[in-house]
Amino acid sequence: DVKVTQSSRYLVKRTGEKVFLECVQDMDHENMFWYRQDPGLGLRLIYFSYDVKMKEKGDIPEGYSVSREKKERFSLILESASTNQTSMYLCASSSRPSGPYFGPGTRLTVL
Amino acid sequence: DQQVKQNSPSLSVQEGRISILNCDYTNSMFDYFLWYKKYPAEGPTFLISISSIKDKNEDGRFTVFLNKSAKHLSLHIVPSQPGDSAVYFCAASGNQFYFGTGTSLTVIP
Repeated sequence: DVKVTQSSRYLVKRTGEKVFLECVQDMDHENMFWYRQDPGLGLRLIYFSYDVKMKEKGDIPEGYSVSREKKERFSLILESASTNQTSMYLCASSSRPSGPYFGPGTRLTVL
Repeated sequence: DQQVKQNSPSLSVQEGRISILNCDYTNSMFDYFLWYKKYPAEGPTFLISISSIKDKNEDGRFTVFLNKSAKHLSLHIVPSQPGDSAVYFCAASGNQFYFGTGTSLTVIP
């Protein structure tokens, strides 16, 4: 069974903290994605990766960075968390031509 | 600029009736379209897809229609069930996957 796992379901951090969100997939997919979901804004792409050590900016990369050292793992980093980064973060993986498989999401609250 | 649009934020339907969710896109180069269903506090799950070479794809109660000339796709759910109540996202595939803003469907028992 296809699986994308995310390190935390719920996370509370303080403004200015560095935050790491981890994602692991077990499907040997080349492509991995980080989205955030906000009410009325849908799913917005932050970063994606086509291969190990490769990364591409999505629509809203500001304030975020990513790391992909191994094929199965894709990390999202908030260098200095701010309150406007409070959101649901969704990791996904895919292998063409199929669409992305999503993890359960991490609800991040920045106080 | 939003390349995939879902203009109806919400939809309510009686149980047993048809639900029709709509989606418009702007880029004629998109070649693959998908629908996802999302429950609160969970990740989206894949529902059904359609290639641009087809105009209809059916899977049980779910049918997706594609009108390339109008750059429009729709998802039909019939008959609708209370368990179908969720947020539905359409997506289109280009160099990445572009998602709409979602339509919240409520099926009233």
